[in-house]
Amino acid sequence: NAGVTQTPKFQVLKTGQSMTLQCAQDMNHNSMYWYRQDPGMGLRLIYYSASEGTTDKGEVPNGYNVSRLNKREFSLRLESAAPSQTSVYFCASSSSRNQPQHFGDGTRLSIL
Amino acid sequence: GQQVMQIPQYQHVQEGEDFTTYCNSSTTLSNIQWYKQRPGGHPVFLIQLVKSGEVKKQKRLTFQFGEAKKNSSLHITATQTTDVGTYFCAGARRETSYDKVIFGPGTSLSVIP
Repeated sequence: NAGVTQTPKFQVLKTGQSMTLQCAQDMNHNSMYWYRQDPGMGLRLIYYSASEGTTDKGEVPNGYNVSRLNKREFSLRLESAAPSQTSVYFCASSSSRNQPQHFGDGTRLSIL
Repeated sequence: GQQVMQIPQYQHVQEGEDFTTYCNSSTTLSNIQWYKQRPGGHPVFLIQLVKSGEVKKQKRLTFQFGEAKKNSSLHITATQTTDVGTYFCAGARRETSYDKVIFGPGTSLSVIP
């Protein structure tokens, strides 16, 4: 009963490096999301995907790209990491856009 | 800009005291969801309210959805240390052809034993 699985859980990068955060869900959900959460702040939507092959920009998409590889997987890529992207990243999924979301454990990313 | 607001931002209570957080939207919502995030954890869905004036209870937690479907509240009776965390509301607002869920900034609850 895994739910939403994110990898890695922790990562340290140097400025300018690239990396991909992976997310997979096993609940057959259509909608998937990527959020970032900074200390003392709420959740800010980076990108959203309503179904395989479709993605929409959220509140803070600059510096990120996403891929909805299939119904299960939704990845987030940082092409050239910047210190301002140091954050906790959460992936979430829901059956449809207005339904409750299930979150992964998060990826704690530090960029030096 | 942010269209779902929560107050207060922080609340410190003595164990056993009651706690309430309020969620307000500038537009009518089709539903409202509440989540809890423990320190160091991830948001966990608590409940969804859909109907105008709806009230739901989960043990010591009482959730209300306003008559105009623009506001909601979460009330915890006799807080315990296990209630510590940040409580987020998330409102589903109708866009042109779909509902968009917007998270509030959260209320952080500290419980002093």
